[in-house]
Amino acid sequence: IAGITQAPTSQILAAGRRMTLRCTQDMRHNAMYWYRQDLGLGLRLIHYSNTAGTTGKGEVPDGYSVSRANTDDFPLTLASAVPSQTSVYFCASSDSIAGGHNEQFFGPGTRLTVL
Amino acid sequence: GQNIDQPTEMTATEGAIVQINCTYQTSGFNGLFWYQQHAGEAPTFLSYNVLDGLEEKGRFSSFLSRSKGYSYLLLKELQMKDSASYLCAVRDSNYQLIWGAGTKLIIKP
Repeated sequence: IAGITQAPTSQILAAGRRMTLRCTQDMRHNAMYWYRQDLGLGLRLIHYSNTAGTTGKGEVPDGYSVSRANTDDFPLTLASAVPSQTSVYFCASSDSIAGGHNEQFFGPGTRLTVL
Repeated sequence: GQNIDQPTEMTATEGAIVQINCTYQTSGFNGLFWYQQHAGEAPTFLSYNVLDGLEEKGRFSSFLSRSKGYSYLLLKELQMKDSASYLCAVRDSNYQLIWGAGTKLIIKP
């Protein structure tokens, strides 16, 4: 694999169900991010990780949790899905979270519908 | 609060030039990014500005004025494949990216 992969590509989920979105990168980037993208709104940061073993809350963390057991993987879990979590979810990574160029590279996204 | 403003939609003609503006109010500033996003796809990096002035990269240029909280993306010699959304993002004092809602650019033949 090259870059960032996400799974599943899309999912329809019943409200109240638990769901984990998977994200894997092979660029050995230290920092990883989860965003949601909704029509008419900018990308909003859910959670981030500066390096393996650490995580932090973004702008809209409620209802979501993450873990970073190793450098490559950064799964996002919805403990009990609600319809307002219907969105497109993007995982991204960058060499670091600090200054300098450090552009973020994005995965292809997961389209999630909660009914 | 933090805010990034950019026009919702713009239309331009193939072969022409278009300028997409972005104004921002953020807690701190550690660089401004432009990304391109085709419908149904992931955002991809276009440009990065941290100092005032113009950065040129082929048909695309990006300008920054930190004192005015203003940036623009200039696209020259427009091609049909440039039809996409263009996202402006500012890295704030916490080194997190604050994103605008994006400008949908429609290119007409």
